[in-house]
Amino acid sequence: KAGVTQTPRYLIKTRGQQVTLSCSPISGHRSVSWYQQTPGQGLQFLFEYFSETQRNKGNFPGRFSGRQFSNSRSEMNVSTLELGDSALYLCASREGDVGNTIYFGEGSWLTVV
Amino acid sequence: GQQVMQIPQYQHVQEGEDFTTYCNSSTTLSNIQWYKQRPGGHPVFLIQLVKSGEVKKQKRLTFQFGEAKKNSSLHITATQTTDVGTYFCAGSQGAQKLVFGQGTRLTINP
Repeated sequence: KAGVTQTPRYLIKTRGQQVTLSCSPISGHRSVSWYQQTPGQGLQFLFEYFSETQRNKGNFPGRFSGRQFSNSRSEMNVSTLELGDSALYLCASREGDVGNTIYFGEGSWLTVV
Repeated sequence: GQQVMQIPQYQHVQEGEDFTTYCNSSTTLSNIQWYKQRPGGHPVFLIQLVKSGEVKKQKRLTFQFGEAKKNSSLHITATQTTDVGTYFCAGSQGAQKLVFGQGTRLTINP
């Protein structure tokens, strides 16, 4: 099976712009989670989607949003970008419920200038 | 909310020395998972512990889950340069989100 695929891998945006990141989970996996990783804050949970429904949400402002499509592919959007949004955004998929192994994609490196 | 604390934040050892990272949760966990992230890479699943007092081994790595299911440890015996990376624990309570510790970054002097 192909692994978790994230696009784009690298991108540079300007403050105030918005960005959309895409994630294709492992085939058959219905749960997709998003994490933000920064050197100072570690892995911070953004949100989780399961069968197109947001199941859990982290403590991020409303500028961060996501969605999941019927084929389990997911997108996350960040509006009105700030310098502090520069980070590695990781998508992870899981076959079933919490407790199953999650598999991470290689991430999307976002730099906001 | 649920918090998972991991110590130490950094650890530098000589090759061949042992290494241990500890994970503590503010609440009782349903399970705990461990991940390794190589420099420049993404986190990769190592193992999951579910039972109270559980101990699992993977070659030179030993994982323990505390009796109260609130703490866990990862011990590496006789480190090798391939062990370099950041080790994360992650815990969950039932259907709640998976909460990651801050990670322990291991560097090794060959």
